[in-house]
Amino acid sequence: EPEVTQTPSHQVTQMGQEVILRCVPISNHLYFYWYRQILGQKVEFLVSFYNNEISEKSEIFDDQFSVERPDGSNFTLKIRSTKLEDSAMYFCASSLSQGAFGYTFGSGTRLTVV
Amino acid sequence: AQKITQTQPGMFVQEKEAVTLDCTYDTSDQSYGLFWYKQPSSGEMIFLIYQGSYDEQNATEGRYSLNFQKARKSANLVISASQLGDSAMYFCAMRENTGFQKLVFGTGTRLLVSP
Repeated sequence: EPEVTQTPSHQVTQMGQEVILRCVPISNHLYFYWYRQILGQKVEFLVSFYNNEISEKSEIFDDQFSVERPDGSNFTLKIRSTKLEDSAMYFCASSLSQGAFGYTFGSGTRLTVV
Repeated sequence: AQKITQTQPGMFVQEKEAVTLDCTYDTSDQSYGLFWYKQPSSGEMIFLIYQGSYDEQNATEGRYSLNFQKARKSANLVISASQLGDSAMYFCAMRENTGFQKLVFGTGTRLLVSP
């Protein structure tokens, strides 16, 4: 069964450093998403991406965040200058088309900012 | 705005018993989808079951069924014949079938299955 692959599974970074979280969505999917889950809390939407541009973003997704799909297969989330409160599990997801219920999550990247 | 409410922070059930996890939602859209995900301690999000707002029958997937009551805006997950491996966090989520279809999640219910 196709899956969404995220790397790394765990990343530790120093406050103020830039991090890039990587995702390989399912190849024929068209819609891509990043979600965040602070430990013990609910999953929150960050951003959606379609047709090589951001289609929607939440209030969390401020100027410190950016997304890219550089080569048609990878989908990346960059945090420019990490803060302690960025420590969370970050999930990538992809879906095939509007209206289809298929919505596949990656296994997540646990980011720890120290 | 969409909202998902899960009022049970924790639930306990004995192995082989059935358990119902509650979920209510609020939306002004007519077309939407409801999802349940399982999150074990390892952290990944495992899709369990989906119900579309226009589906007339309740969704079922093996031991999972979704008790969909549209007028009450509830979408409770029923797990039959609980197993020890069902111990996990369970999230209800909703997707509106407009825009770019982000998911909105509830706060989750932690299920503990005892022998």
